[in-house]
Amino acid sequence: KAGVTQTPRYLIKTRGQQVTLSCSPISGHRSVSWYQQTPGQGLQFLFEYFSETQRNKGNFPGRFSGRQFSNSRSEMNVSTLELGDSALYLCASSPAALPNTGELFFGEGSRLTVL
Amino acid sequence: AQSVAQPEDQVNVAEGNPLTVKCTYSVSGNPYLFWYVQYPNRGLQFLLKYITGDNLVKGSYGFEAEFNKSQTSFHLKKPSALVSDSALYFCAVRDKTGAGSYQLTFGKGTKLSVIP
Repeated sequence: KAGVTQTPRYLIKTRGQQVTLSCSPISGHRSVSWYQQTPGQGLQFLFEYFSETQRNKGNFPGRFSGRQFSNSRSEMNVSTLELGDSALYLCASSPAALPNTGELFFGEGSRLTVL
Repeated sequence: AQSVAQPEDQVNVAEGNPLTVKCTYSVSGNPYLFWYVQYPNRGLQFLLKYITGDNLVKGSYGFEAEFNKSQTSFHLKKPSALVSDSALYFCAVRDKTGAGSYQLTFGKGTKLSVIP
C-alpha cells in the first residue's frame, strides 16, 4: 500500500510569490492534515480536511489556505510568501476524522525555502 | 487546551544501554497520547499510542511507553538502544479544538543520539 505522497519535495521561492503544495493520502484515507515544522516553533497545526470540508484550522494568517478534492487529495497554498514561511510542510492522513483514531500517517514533507 | 512538554532537547545514550525520552502532559479529561519518530529529512512515523487500558504500551521497533496518571507522564522507553534509534522523537496529545473537532498537539521534540 502506497504511503502519503507529497510534491514537490523541495522548492525555493522568493518573497511575495505564492506556492502550492500537494498531498496524496493513503488509499482509503479521508482525513488530511497539514503541519508546519520549523526549528524554532516545532510542529504547528495548519488545518485538517475531511470529505472535502475544512474541519479544523490552526492559528495561521489567511495567507495559508487549503482544499481537498473528491479523491481525498489535498493542496495547500501560501500566498505573498515571507521569509518566515521557510519550513518543512508535512501532510498526514488518517482513515477517518481525528476523533476516531488519532493516529496519523505522515508524508516525507515539502521543504520550502523563501529567499 | 491540552499540551505536552518534553523537558529534554537532547538525550545521549550508549548503544546497548536502556533509553528513556520524557514527556509530561496537561489535559482535561482522559488523555489520548502518542509518540512519533522523525529521521533526518523524513516525515514522522507513528510509534505507539495510549488511549485507555494497560499503563504500559508496546509499540514499533521495540519501543514502549509508560503512562503514569499521578505524575502526568508518558515516557518513551527501550531496554537496549541501537545506533539506528538516533532520531528526533515527538510526544503528542489529542487536543479538542471545537465541537467534534480535534487536532494533535506536539511537543518540541527530543533529539536522541545513540553513541556506538
